[in-house]
Order: sequence, then C-alpha cells, then structure tokens
Amino acid sequence: GDSVTQMEGPVTLSEEAFLTINCTYTATGYPSLFWYVQYPGEGLQLLLKATKADDKGSNKGFEATYRKETTSFHLEKGSVQVSDSAVYFCALIPMDTGRRALTFGSGTRLQVQP
Amino acid sequence: DVKVTQSSRYLVKRTGEKVFLECVQDMDHENMFWYRQDPGLGLRLIYFSYDVKMKEKGDIPEGYSVSREKKERFSLILESASTNQTSMYLCASSPRVGQVSSGANVLTFGAGSRLTVL
Repeated sequence: GDSVTQMEGPVTLSEEAFLTINCTYTATGYPSLFWYVQYPGEGLQLLLKATKADDKGSNKGFEATYRKETTSFHLEKGSVQVSDSAVYFCALIPMDTGRRALTFGSGTRLQVQP
Repeated sequence: DVKVTQSSRYLVKRTGEKVFLECVQDMDHENMFWYRQDPGLGLRLIYFSYDVKMKEKGDIPEGYSVSREKKERFSLILESASTNQTSMYLCASSPRVGQVSSGANVLTFGAGSRLTVL
C-alpha cells in the first residue's frame, strides 16, 4: 500500500538557519505530493505541492522537489523564522489507482529559537 | 473567507456514550473526509464521502460511522465511545478528484475537535 515516511522530530533550529525535513514515499501509482503545515491550535493548511517528477513546489520561502528516482520530496528553507515553528506533514495521493484520499506521514515538529 | 467548520473544539465524554462530531464546509466541495491525528502516527483516514449519501471506509473505520445527508455537512459518529478513541479529529474537504485544476486534491481542513473519552 501507499505510505509516507518522515524524519522524526522535533527539529530545533536557531533563527536564520537552513532547514531540511526529509520525506520519502512508497506508492502503487504515480502520486502527487504535498506538504501541509499545522500551526499551534490550527488545522492543517497546504504549504506546497508537486504533481510530476522534477516539479518543484514553492511557497513562503519553502521548496520541495519531486524526485522520482529516489522517491523523495524533501522540504527545504534557506532561512527559518520563529514564525515557522509548526508541525509539517508530507502527503501523497496516487493519481492512477482510484484512491480518493491523501495518505499522510507522521509529521515533523519544527521549533525555531530566536 | 471559505472554510471548514467543526462544531466542537473540545469534548469530554464517558465510555459507552454515543458521540457526534459535526463538520460543515461552505465551498461546495464534493469530497469530505474525517481523519484522526495522534502523536507519532500522523493523520489516519477514518471515512470519506465523495457525494451526498455516498461514503467509503478509510484505513481505520472500526468503531466509527458517518452520515452525509447534505453536501455541505459530514458527521462522524462514535456509536459507543471507548478510551482508545481519545484523539484529535480533523475534518477536511476538497474539490472533485480528477479535475484538471490547481485545486484538485487540495484539502481544506477544519481546526479540529479534541475528544477525550473517560
């Protein structure tokens, strides 16, 4: 079946540090890939997405590139801020198997210290 | 501002009680979902609905049922609550799967309902 594996957290960084959160996936079909973010006390919201190999999704300074050869979709940001402290979820949906719902990873908590 | 609204942010129930979690969306979305969120496990799909009165089981449907009588409303029902159902429940909606648009498969989530079963 489909699955998403994320690095365990929490990830603790100082402000302006470089961020990488690893995400790898297993999918029976050809998936679209997503990163969602959950700020404290809120629901999840879409951060970025990519729908085919070598696509790069980007938003709010975050980037992730769809790497089919390594089945990965790592999240990166060049300079994190305290306001980026949140839980980040990698997710996928295969586009050719009929499954209608996203499969999520376990989430990675990011803590950014001033 | 479009949104998904979950009726209760916090609930405390006793073992064996029947529990209703309500979710309403105002985006005219065809698909609606219930996930539960637990530390270290991420989000796990309980049920989803792709049309009024239509539903499909997700990955962990045991102990739950759902109802979708109107397009905008999707209810999660715990027939007899148990302590292992203590969790954060997240409702979400999305446009029809398969549409060739930037919004296809993008979920909009509610703020969540934290249920404690004693």
